[in-house]
Amino acid sequence: EDKVVQSPLSLVVHEGDTVTLNCSYEVTNFRSLLWYKQEKKAPTFLFMLTSSGIEKKSGRLSSILDKKELFSILNITATQTGDSAIYLCAPRSGTSYGKLTFGQGTILTVHP
Amino acid sequence: GAGVSQSPSNKVTEKGKDVELRCDPISGHTALYWYRQSLGQGLEFLIYFQGNSAPDKSGLPSDRFSAERTGGSVSTLTIQRTQQEDSAVYLCASSQGTGPGETQYFGPGTRLLVL
Repeated sequence: EDKVVQSPLSLVVHEGDTVTLNCSYEVTNFRSLLWYKQEKKAPTFLFMLTSSGIEKKSGRLSSILDKKELFSILNITATQTGDSAIYLCAPRSGTSYGKLTFGQGTILTVHP
Repeated sequence: GAGVSQSPSNKVTEKGKDVELRCDPISGHTALYWYRQSLGQGLEFLIYFQGNSAPDKSGLPSDRFSAERTGGSVSTLTIQRTQQEDSAVYLCASSQGTGPGETQYFGPGTRLLVL
């Protein structure tokens, strides 16, 4: 059975802090890993990672994948209150037409 | 449309009643997925459509749950004889295809409350 574990489950920081969110996974026939940000209901896409060691960046957010050790991290630098959300990681299996298996998420709260 | 849309946004029903949840994917997206998110939990896969067929229904929790897709577009998730444990946010996502480089785009979800 595919497994995804995210840590920490919740995190409270102040604006300007840097945070690192972790995602470890075990999936059959791994293809890629996606990160989403969920503020209210609809998760919004952040990154898709397919290759080890290649960092993806978007503004203050960056992410990297380690396919040997089966984990990914999401970094947010200079956090802002608007970064407060649930961050979900979802590895994709190649055995079931791209089905995503989601972790339970990390709840990030950024205080002013 | 511009994005995935779902209706209704919120649904309150009584235990034992049937409900239908609708998803309208992004135009041209052939793949459609239904997920469920219970309070404090991650997203749980329910069913996947490629066109009008459902190659993977493995996540449907019981035979009270069914889904269909018509015309390769709109999908309906039906829950019969609802139970309180069915209360959750039901999210729909679509993607252009199912290759490893495809991204799933999510709708705003339907929040279902079974009293």
